[in-house]
Order: sequence, then structure tokens, then C-alpha cells
Amino acid sequence: GDSVTQMEGPVTLSEEAFLTINCTYTATGYPSLFWYVQYPGEGLQLLLKATKADDKGSNKGFEATYRKETTSFHLEKGSVQVSDSAVYFCALSFSNDYKLSFGAGTTVTVRA
Amino acid sequence: DTAVSQTPKYLVTQMGNDKSIKCEQNLGHDTMYWYKQDSKKFLKIMFSYNNKELIINETVPNRFSPKSPDKAHLNLHINSLELGDSAVYFCASSPPRSWTQYFGPGTRLLVL
Repeated sequence: GDSVTQMEGPVTLSEEAFLTINCTYTATGYPSLFWYVQYPGEGLQLLLKATKADDKGSNKGFEATYRKETTSFHLEKGSVQVSDSAVYFCALSFSNDYKLSFGAGTTVTVRA
Repeated sequence: DTAVSQTPKYLVTQMGNDKSIKCEQNLGHDTMYWYKQDSKKFLKIMFSYNNKELIINETVPNRFSPKSPDKAHLNLHINSLELGDSAVYFCASSPPRSWTQYFGPGTRLLVL
């Protein structure tokens, strides 16, 4: 079945450090790919998405590029802030399917 | 002007009880979802309704019964609660032909 694998956390960084969270997927066909973020005590919010190969999603300084050849969608941010502390979820979905399949989530803590 | 709302926010109850969680969205979306997030933050879809019709029913005990009285509401009733039902339950909705899901703030259920 379709699945998403994320790097395990937790990840702890200092402010202004570079953040990378690895995400790879297994799927039959070419899904759309997403990063959702969950801030402490809140529900998930869409951070960015890419719907086809080589697309780059970006938002709030975060970026991720859909790499078909490596079946990856790694999330990056060049300079993190304390407010970026959250759980980050990679997910995939197909156009004929209502379902989002999530990775296990990666907890990121940014220290001042 | 909350987009996706859930009640209650917290629910503490005894094993064996029956409880309901309510979800409402004022976004005019056609599709609504219930997810369960366990203590390790792993997020798994339980049900999805599209225009009041059940379209996703994952492997969930039949003690869990969703009900959609109209497009804007999707409630979750749980019979004979068990310790393992303790989790955070998220409601979400999405517009037609979109994979972007909008999540509620979650209901934290603790079964004692």
C-alpha cells in the first residue's frame, strides 16, 4: 500500500540553524505530496504542497521539492526560529482518493 | 469565525461509557474526516464522509460510529469506551477537487 516514511525525531536545533526533515514515499503512481505542521495544542495546518514531479512548494521560509527519481519530498528551512517548534507531518494523496496518508511526524524543538 | 470546530475539547470518562464528539465546519466543504492521533503523534484516518455519504471506513472497531446529519457536521459516537481509545481525535474538512484538508483543534479523550 501507499506509505510515507519520515526521519525520526525529536530534532533539537538552535535558532538560525538549518533544518532538514527527510521524507520518502512508496506509492503506485504519482501522488500529490504535502507537509502539514502541528503547533503545540493545535490541529494540523497545511504548510506546503506539490502536485507533480519537480514542483517546489514553499511557505513561511520552508521549501520542499517533489523528486520523482528518489521518491522524496524533504522539508528545508534555512534559518529556524523558536516559533517553528512543532510537529511536522509529511503526507501523500491521489487525485481519485480522498485519503491523506501521513508519515509518523517529526517533532522539532528550536531553542533560543 | 472558527472554520472547523470540535466539542468538547477535553473528555475524561470511565471505561465502558458511551460518548460523542461533535464536529462542525463553516467552510462549505463537501468532505469531512475523522482522524485518531495516538500518544506518539501517529495520525491515522478513521472515516470520511462526502455529502453525507460514507466514503472511507478504515479498520476501526464497530464501537465507533460516525454520523453526518448534514454536510456541515460529522459526529463521532463511541460505545463501550476502552483504555486504548485514549487519544486525540481530529476532525477535518476539504473542498471539492482539493487535497488540502482543514483540521479542527482536536478533542483530547482520556479513558480511565
